Amino acid sequence: GQNIDQPTEMTATEGAIVQINCTYQTSGFNGLFWYQQHAGEAPTFLSYNVLDGLEEKGRFSSFLSRSKGYSYLLLKELQMKDSASYLCAGGYNFNKFYFGSGTKLNVKP
Amino acid sequence: DTAVSQTPKYLVTQMGNDKSIKCEQNLGHDTMYWYKQDSKKFLKIMFSYNNKELIINETVPNRFSPKSPDKAHLNLHINSLELGDSAVYFCASSPSLNTGELFFGEGSRLTVL
Repeated sequence: GQNIDQPTEMTATEGAIVQINCTYQTSGFNGLFWYQQHAGEAPTFLSYNVLDGLEEKGRFSSFLSRSKGYSYLLLKELQMKDSASYLCAGGYNFNKFYFGSGTKLNVKP
Repeated sequence: DTAVSQTPKYLVTQMGNDKSIKCEQNLGHDTMYWYKQDSKKFLKIMFSYNNKELIINETVPNRFSPKSPDKAHLNLHINSLELGDSAVYFCASSPSLNTGELFFGEGSRLTVL
């Protein structure tokens, strides 16, 4: 729902920086969420953007452009434990959340 | 203490059976949800309840019937199970309808044979 699109899979090297992009439908949009999900586990909340710009939280940052229907999650100083799926989710009217299919990030030594 | 807990974690059953999954949250949240995650890892909203009142029913077959006896509990009953119902079902909660951070349970993996 709501055309939440993100790449299926990415690979990066330990210590590097990786950017995971997400595009979404802007009609009825309220805010953009990023979740991390390790294999076999529940998704856990990473970040929330409602205004344009960059939100920084330690090694993780998230960016939003409302006019372009675009967000990205930036992971710095990658660690092996960052290997997981990263889910982009759009919050819409009536508290509906639509998730993308997730980007599986593989961090290699 | 687990914030959002759901049982059972694993459920294997035959086609045509009826089964239930229970969910409880001890966070004092007003809003609870059921999500389905299929084999392609796509998380899709099924239902949401706010203070025991149904808010969202996202075109889910009526074989699926949620029940919220109080705002801390949201159970999911599934009748006449089909092969396509095999998935991981996640319960989640959020403080209210207008706040977005979701707290997920550990998931219930349902396998229909």
